[in-house]
Amino acid sequence: EAGVTQFPSHSVIEKGQTVTLRCDPISGHDNLYWYRRVMGKEIKFLLHFVKESKQDESGMPNNRFLAERTGGTYSTLKVQPAELEDSGVYFCASSQVGQNTEAFFGQGTRLTVV
Amino acid sequence: AQSVTQPDIHITVSEGASLELRCNYSYGATPYLFWYVQSPGQGLQLLLKYFSGDTLVQGIKGFEAEFKRSQSSFNLRKPSVHWSDAAEYFCAVGPLSGSARQLTFGSGTQLTVLP
Repeated sequence: EAGVTQFPSHSVIEKGQTVTLRCDPISGHDNLYWYRRVMGKEIKFLLHFVKESKQDESGMPNNRFLAERTGGTYSTLKVQPAELEDSGVYFCASSQVGQNTEAFFGQGTRLTVV
Repeated sequence: AQSVTQPDIHITVSEGASLELRCNYSYGATPYLFWYVQSPGQGLQLLLKYFSGDTLVQGIKGFEAEFKRSQSSFNLRKPSVHWSDAAEYFCAVGPLSGSARQLTFGSGTQLTVLP
């Protein structure tokens, strides 16, 4: 069974450009989460989808970040325009709905804004 | 607000030595507790989790962790470290109820294993 897959694994862009990160969750997982780790700091929650609906986006830093989950399958996280402080590793995780379910994480996308 | 503290940023041990990684949490209710590991180029992998019951939990790769409510701690241990254990380790807490697993992570502990 395929795990959570994230594309690209690395991205280097200039300040002011747009970048779109993609996450393919495990098939059948209705919960999808985005997290971010800024260098050397803790991994922080960004938002949570249940199917195609945003359940909680309290962790989104500002309106330059836009997350979508079309059809409740894969998700994209767009940063437009990117700023230097957006650099970090963006993780995606998915889980089944229900109690005591484990969240499975992707390998992350390392974003560098120069 | 919930928080997780991993006081050791970097730990170095010799192969075969024992290991203990510290984790303290602050949470308003009884939490779910997790340890994840990230090896180079890999995603976060769940080592073990505590929901309820026996406070000593066993995980994969020979790791175990003990939940101590009085100390708000969930330290990770391994009796004999292998070179392949070199990685970054994250402690995390999450809500006890519901399926929404919004996790709060610590800042991680980088483990180096000497031959």
